Amino acid sequence: DAKTTQPPSMDCAEGRAANLPCNHSTISGNEYVYWYRQIHSQGPQYIIHGLKNNETNEMASLIITEDRKSSTLILPHATLRDTAVYYCIVRLHSGSARQLTFGSGTQLTVLP
Amino acid sequence: DVKVTQSSRYLVKRTGEKVFLECVQDMDHENMFWYRQDPGLGLRLIYFSYDVKMKEKGDIPEGYSVSREKKERFSLILESASTNQTSMYLCASSLSAVVSYEQYFGPGTRLTVT
Repeated sequence: DAKTTQPPSMDCAEGRAANLPCNHSTISGNEYVYWYRQIHSQGPQYIIHGLKNNETNEMASLIITEDRKSSTLILPHATLRDTAVYYCIVRLHSGSARQLTFGSGTQLTVLP
Repeated sequence: DVKVTQSSRYLVKRTGEKVFLECVQDMDHENMFWYRQDPGLGLRLIYFSYDVKMKEKGDIPEGYSVSREKKERFSLILESASTNQTSMYLCASSLSAVVSYEQYFGPGTRLTVT
């Protein structure tokens, strides 16, 4: 799996959009970008994934640059419950790559 | 919504005890996983299963065994608990054994071995 780089921490005001960046300059053509988050003392939670088109679901939006070397996870209206560590992962969508490997992630703190 | 449940949130056991951690998923997923998570070491795969009675070792299987007798249930067994197995244990499931779909995690079991 390609390596990812994320800032160690970010703050965001409640109600504002939280934009979390991720660099994955060595991504290969068949690797997807996945985002998970982990709220303190809970199991990780899947958020969203994408290949090259922008994706949106009820939790977040994922913007992937045209060259696919970086992406941004957007939480459109952050709440206090969005305070968590956010992990960006690049991995194959098929084959034997079943295992998840988290890096150090970004600690997002949503401030009241 | 996918639901993955684990038998205990917190567990305290003594050294040498046999420990059973149970995980159940309700979405008919093929894949199930057991991870442990430790500060500074991230998420490490212990075992995974892609079908009933099928299992494969992950990165750190020593001291652990698993059982999958039914599709929805995946058990992790610590044959003889040791203090270095004090950790957060996370169970996960995913839809397909062929395609690497997103994984859904349980709430975790924080195990302390004294």
